[in-house]
Amino acid sequence: DTGVSQDPRHKITKRGQNVTFRCDPISEHNRLYWYRQTLGQGPEFLTYFQNEAQLEKSRLLSDRFSAERPKGSFSTLEIQRTEQGDSAMYLCASSFWLAGSNTGELFFGEGSRLTVL
Amino acid sequence: GNSVTQMEGPVTLSEEAFLTINCTYTATGYPSLFWYVQYPGEGLQLLLKATKADDKGSNKGFEATYRKETTSFHLEKGSVQVSDSAVYFCALSDHQGAQKLVFGQGTRLTINP
Repeated sequence: DTGVSQDPRHKITKRGQNVTFRCDPISEHNRLYWYRQTLGQGPEFLTYFQNEAQLEKSRLLSDRFSAERPKGSFSTLEIQRTEQGDSAMYLCASSFWLAGSNTGELFFGEGSRLTVL
Repeated sequence: GNSVTQMEGPVTLSEEAFLTINCTYTATGYPSLFWYVQYPGEGLQLLLKATKADDKGSNKGFEATYRKETTSFHLEKGSVQVSDSAVYFCALSDHQGAQKLVFGQGTRLTINP
């Protein structure tokens, strides 16, 4: 399967613990995005990378959140000192971006569901 | 900033009924428009897209036309099936910078046999 894969699919943690999610994008894609989706809402943009560079972060991404894409391939999203409000589905998406020839379509993984008790 | 507004759900229809899910947007410039679908237990999948005004996107019997004058991208299907039950998201993407998708809140569709 050459789609976007995310791990773990579901994480249950206690408040105050740290959690890390991993995303493996489609191999030839140079852009990688993280979104958060809460129940009954559409996905909200968190941050994105072009290759290894993190180019934009949403105001939703508090200081407790950090994302990396060290070699321009897979990415990790870490949440420190989790709070109950962090409970959500964390979605990863990727795309191939080339100047002047983009439609904006993103390819999504199945998501990592976080439950903070 | 850019935003998308979808008709509120949930929507429940009988099989073979006609479907319309309304979507309007606010954006600077000329965004690309998308409908994504999320089937139970699965990730978001692109259903159809349109990249410029008057374009019609179509897939699996669904259609949507990019209407710049009314800033709309309504999703339609002439005869729905039980397998169309899912959550549908309208989204837009600008053509500059991050090209990140901005989503509507989603519309849950249930089709009864």
